[in-house]
Amino acid sequence: DTAVSQTPKYLVTQMGNDKSIKCEQNLGHDTMYWYKQDSKKFLKIMFSYNNKELIINETVPNRFSPKSPDKAHLNLHINSLELGDSAVYFCASSQGDLIWAFFGQGTRLTVV
Amino acid sequence: GQNIDQPTEMTATEGAIVQINCTYQTSGFNGLFWYQQHAGEAPTFLSYNVLDGLEEKGRFSSFLSRSKGYSYLLLKELQMKDSASYLCAPLDSNYQLIWGAGTKLIIKP
Repeated sequence: DTAVSQTPKYLVTQMGNDKSIKCEQNLGHDTMYWYKQDSKKFLKIMFSYNNKELIINETVPNRFSPKSPDKAHLNLHINSLELGDSAVYFCASSQGDLIWAFFGQGTRLTVV
Repeated sequence: GQNIDQPTEMTATEGAIVQINCTYQTSGFNGLFWYQQHAGEAPTFLSYNVLDGLEEKGRFSSFLSRSKGYSYLLLKELQMKDSASYLCAPLDSNYQLIWGAGTKLIIKP
């Protein structure tokens, strides 16, 4: 049973489109994250969210927005996709003082 | 600023020992993680150090020196499946993981 699951695993889309990547965790964790891994393998945090506070990395364009319908889900919505958005996006979760982050399998986004 | 420094790539022989070094500079410090990432897969947790010294877990050990901003991951009895990227990630004062680019470890027979 997958702890942190992301869908889709692969996403190919055209510039200018709007797309969403879904993330669900069944660990009962209170904090979820989105990371972007670029071509040089750097993992950069985009958002962290627990039901009290959304922390946004100020370098993330406002075309990116996290949406959390409930505690177990944190979806990533991207407007007006650009070529530079092509990357692997990882969702992760952790629980309070337990700062081990459990990662999803990643979504490879390709913008053409 | 915040900075993580690891070698880009290392090569080792099956059955040998390899040490992957990491130096870091962060705004505050709340421990350091090592993650393993196979190509095309998500990172998986290996170790967490918050106090100075060596933590041993099977074939893998991790060392931390907070005063020097230095950590290493030691892998013993290398196996072909250990070929992967190894990511050093300290936690800053906001409990955010600061990721390096990782070290690609290539194991040869």
